[in-house]
Amino acid sequence: AQSVTQPDIHITVSEGASLELRCNYSYGATPYLFWYVQSPGQGLQLLLKYFSGDTLVQGIKGFEAEFKRSQSSFNLRKPSVHWSDAAEYFCAVGDGGSYIPTFGRGTSLIVHP
Amino acid sequence: DTEVTQTPKHLVMGMTNKKSLKCEQHMGHRAMYWYKQKAKKPPELMFVYSYEKLSINESVPSRFSPECPNSSLLNLHLHALQPEDSALYLCASSQGQHYGYTFGSGTRLTVV
Repeated sequence: AQSVTQPDIHITVSEGASLELRCNYSYGATPYLFWYVQSPGQGLQLLLKYFSGDTLVQGIKGFEAEFKRSQSSFNLRKPSVHWSDAAEYFCAVGDGGSYIPTFGRGTSLIVHP
Repeated sequence: DTEVTQTPKHLVMGMTNKKSLKCEQHMGHRAMYWYKQKAKKPPELMFVYSYEKLSINESVPSRFSPECPNSSLLNLHLHALQPEDSALYLCASSQGQHYGYTFGSGTRLTVV
């Protein structure tokens, strides 16, 4: 069974600073990997996904993520954070056999002015 | 239309009430889901419908009863809920494993 770890419960950055949110997965084959963002009181929105091809994936809102098989990681990055990026971020991993991803516990991003 | 629409946005119900949550999508997605989310936690899967048939029930108590009347609609019928069932209930749809999910904005349920 697949699993996903988000080691950081909270991350605090200043507006304009760069951001990296960590995600490590456990899965035997090539996984399907996703990052979602959830603003307070809202549903989750898909930022980007990876399942094959180029290991650097571009997403919406200026985010990107890099798949590193050797490190079993799929870290999310953004070069310059905006106050509106403050939210909860969930990494998820899916297998090839079902429609059901496993979500990490989430990382709460706090942005200081 | 690229949205999943959930109604109502907020619901307060007593423990003896019967209510329903509704979810609608017109993207042609053939898989639809109900998730329950507590504050500061990831979503927990409750039910999966694939091609309008219930394919997964994650051992959810019978006081939650899902229904998929057609390929665009998903309902969650609620009866005799407990205060601990208070949560954000999210509906999602998907066109395939590698596409990810489209989530609705959720129904904030409070059981009193």
